[in-house]
Amino acid sequence: GQNIDQPTEMTATEGAIVQINCTYQTSGFNGLFWYQQHAGEAPTFLSYNVLDGLEDKGRFSSFLSRSKGYSYLLLKELQMKDSASYLCAPPHSGAGSYQLTFGKGTKLSVIP
Amino acid sequence: ETGVTQSPTHLIKTRGQQVTLRCSSQSGHNTVSWYQQALGQGPQFIFQYYREEENGRGNFPPRFSGLQFPNYSSELNVNALELDDSALYLCASSSGPLIRDPWSGELFFGEGSRLTVL
Repeated sequence: GQNIDQPTEMTATEGAIVQINCTYQTSGFNGLFWYQQHAGEAPTFLSYNVLDGLEDKGRFSSFLSRSKGYSYLLLKELQMKDSASYLCAPPHSGAGSYQLTFGKGTKLSVIP
Repeated sequence: ETGVTQSPTHLIKTRGQQVTLRCSSQSGHNTVSWYQQALGQGPQFIFQYYREEENGRGNFPPRFSGLQFPNYSSELNVNALELDDSALYLCASSSGPLIRDPWSGELFFGEGSRLTVL
């Protein structure tokens, strides 16, 4: 299996910075995705790291180390609307193809 | 709005019944993936269809089956429903399989069909 491990819940204050870690069992696919899912809504794409290092997308950045099976999502200048679940999604190989698999997600609560 | 539509949005069935869920993919997308999301869990991959052929399957029993049509819309069928099948079923369309285009990992999800089995 993928053995995706990320914290179940985190709480942070509005305006602060939070880092959500993810460790996973690597497959032959070089890359990892992050998705955001607000309560009662469908997941939406946040970022894709194809290479090792930091991908900076303004308030949201994502880091990947493929050899270590480690990634993190960094959220800066937190806003109340960032309260959501954040899903680490490393592709998994099977039956000759790769499929996006999701961790259980980290539920982030942003408080005033 | 992702342009991916699913129907029905909510439904209630009893154990042993059968259900069909439908999904219309985003224009220009030829690949549809189905996921099951139980409460408090991440989405679990059921299977994917690419150009009307199954292109990968997760750890789900054969009573979960699917279909993709020439217009790339898709159906998920579940036979002999069990209580544990109660979940949100998500359909996601993409521009192709990951093995062909890594950027097709940007999935566009519909709002889901919430199935309750009593």
